[in-house]
Amino acid sequence: QQQVKQSPQSLIVQKGGISIINCAYENTAFDYFPWYQQFPGKGPALLIAIRPDVSEKKEGRFTISFNKSAKQFSLHIMDSQPGDSATYFCAATNYGQNFVFGPGTRLSVLP
Amino acid sequence: GAVVSQHPSWVICKSGTSVKIECRSLDFQATTMFWYRQFPKQSLMLMATSNEGSKATYEQGVEKDKFLINHASLTLSTLTVTSAHPEDSSFYICSARDPGLAWNEQFFGPGTRLTVL
Repeated sequence: QQQVKQSPQSLIVQKGGISIINCAYENTAFDYFPWYQQFPGKGPALLIAIRPDVSEKKEGRFTISFNKSAKQFSLHIMDSQPGDSATYFCAATNYGQNFVFGPGTRLSVLP
Repeated sequence: GAVVSQHPSWVICKSGTSVKIECRSLDFQATTMFWYRQFPKQSLMLMATSNEGSKATYEQGVEKDKFLINHASLTLSTLTVTSAHPEDSSFYICSARDPGLAWNEQFFGPGTRLTVL
């Protein structure tokens, strides 16, 4: 199965709150899991990525949690800011193969 | 990270005309580039994989005669939408893979908004 499921479809968070977006995959051959942030009218930009040999990766306010046995990974945005309002896509791939993208989550952070 | 550019950023054309979109890797040589299409509020849909010096590989359902892809150099891939029609209006995004990276990373361009009248 090449599908990557992503939830929620949309998310509204108050400024300073924690935004959590979840993804799940089926293909156990996937070995690279990036998250992309996309603003309207712009291309996706890499936010953070993880390999399955670690369970968590943190970069500033952004953290990926990875559960290999459950085939799930999630993005946590701490101290969410209005400037974080964007669409977030998770993706999965294994080397040499194409990316499989989730359907996206529209995040709105209220001031 | 590596930089990928696209030109033009937006284009409006009449139905029946052809439009060429350029994708360039600015600070690395990309043996593989990808072309995506994105409709409003939807995810990225892979159209084709472009390999330098060889024919592109198209995804199922993508008309190769309508969406012509040329990857003539290690830093440039072009997508030509031939005989464009209003249903071809969309946001087209390219990405490039840096073979120098151990990870399977793709770097995305800023996208091209195509509107066919």
